[in-house]
Amino acid sequence: SQQGEEDPQALSIQEGENATMNCSYKTSINNLQWYRQNSGRGLVHLILIRSNEREKHSGRLRVTLDTSKKSSSLLITASRAADTASYFCATERGGADGLTFGKGTHLIIQP
Amino acid sequence: SAVISQKPSRDICQRGTSLTIQCQVDSQVTMMFWYRQQPGQSLTLIATANQGSEATYESGFVIDKFPISRPNLTFSTLTVSNMSPEDSSIYLCSTAQRNTEAFFGQGTRLTVV
Repeated sequence: SQQGEEDPQALSIQEGENATMNCSYKTSINNLQWYRQNSGRGLVHLILIRSNEREKHSGRLRVTLDTSKKSSSLLITASRAADTASYFCATERGGADGLTFGKGTHLIIQP
Repeated sequence: SAVISQKPSRDICQRGTSLTIQCQVDSQVTMMFWYRQQPGQSLTLIATANQGSEATYESGFVIDKFPISRPNLTFSTLTVSNMSPEDSSIYLCSTAQRNTEAFFGQGTRLTVV
């Protein structure tokens, strides 16, 4: 499966600042999801946005989806040291099983 | 929601040998998925395993190299066969229903020497 692109590949910010990560994909989708991975372990689901939605919020997270541009963004507000992790977008394709993951953004929050 | 227990969590194996990874789900699920995450990379889907049918493999992955079993609705195994150092990766199992969040095991970190 072809992977989408994410940028930036790495992001380092100060604690308290906002972090924005972008994701682009290539095919039509049912939904787009964001996951967090700490130290190469299992993935934690953050948020799912369906193809007919444009924006979604969950706590300090805000996700947007632009299906015309095949892109999404994840905003983490008021970042904390505990937000340090790798963040991946993943798309569920119509009529197909499993997820196609983007390349990921490694986020470092400096205390 | 689903909780997945995956084992082993890590292993170091000799080249030419095989390793079987097990995933146990705390509820009955229709679809299970196996992913590979090569060092410093993202996740790539290996195959989809549905109970009662042959696994469906993605391009670049073949059954002889990655045989999968799905004997019931709560359990699946992935075998990495005839291993080489290039197989050193994290392998993750997952389950999801369409248009809902996916749940992942904690991963198996495999090192082939």
